[in-house]
Amino acid sequence: AQSVTQLDSQVPVFEEAPVELRCNYSSSVSVYLFWYVQYPNQGLQLLLKYLSGSTLVKGINGFEAEFNKSQTSFHLRKPSVHISDTAEYFCAVSNTGTASKLTFGTGTRLQVTL
Amino acid sequence: DVKVTQSSRYLVKRTGEKVFLECVQDMDHENMFWYRQDPGLGLRLIYFSYDVKMKEKGDIPEGYSVSREKKERFSLILESASTNQTSMYLCASRPGTGGREQYFGPGTRLTVT
Repeated sequence: AQSVTQLDSQVPVFEEAPVELRCNYSSSVSVYLFWYVQYPNQGLQLLLKYLSGSTLVKGINGFEAEFNKSQTSFHLRKPSVHISDTAEYFCAVSNTGTASKLTFGTGTRLQVTL
Repeated sequence: DVKVTQSSRYLVKRTGEKVFLECVQDMDHENMFWYRQDPGLGLRLIYFSYDVKMKEKGDIPEGYSVSREKKERFSLILESASTNQTSMYLCASRPGTGGREQYFGPGTRLTVT
């Protein structure tokens, strides 16, 4: 079984400031990791994913995340946020088997203000 | 682009009614999923399907059933809706091989009164 912890339920930040959204996971097997974004009244959209290879993953909208196996973390970062980044962000993990399911964290609400 | 559509964006039903939520994907994906999303709880898996006529229970299947008669369509059924099933329901699909990401529909916000 696996689990995901997003410790911060809300993160307020000023526009053009950097931001980090934290994600830690627990699993006894190899994993794939994902970050999704949900804008108000919409479904989830994939931001980025880690399957294998380089531990630094770049995604859409200037976001990136780093897979740290020793710390079982997959934190999401952006060097300069914009008002339009205001949304809910979900971290998710799956095992690497063919019949894998996604396990989601509880989400982090990023609120960007002027 | 993958497109996952859900039959309704907003739905209001009465307690005890039978409710059908429909999901259709246009990318020939083998796998389809139903989640409910509640504040502070994230997304929780209700049911999923790896093939036509196949279904597997997720983490919270109680009070729900599903149907997958065609590859592109996955229906969630609330046999007798209750107020604690008021929630946002999200459908997703994923190919059987390749990348593991799931593609989500826009969601159906269901209110049971």
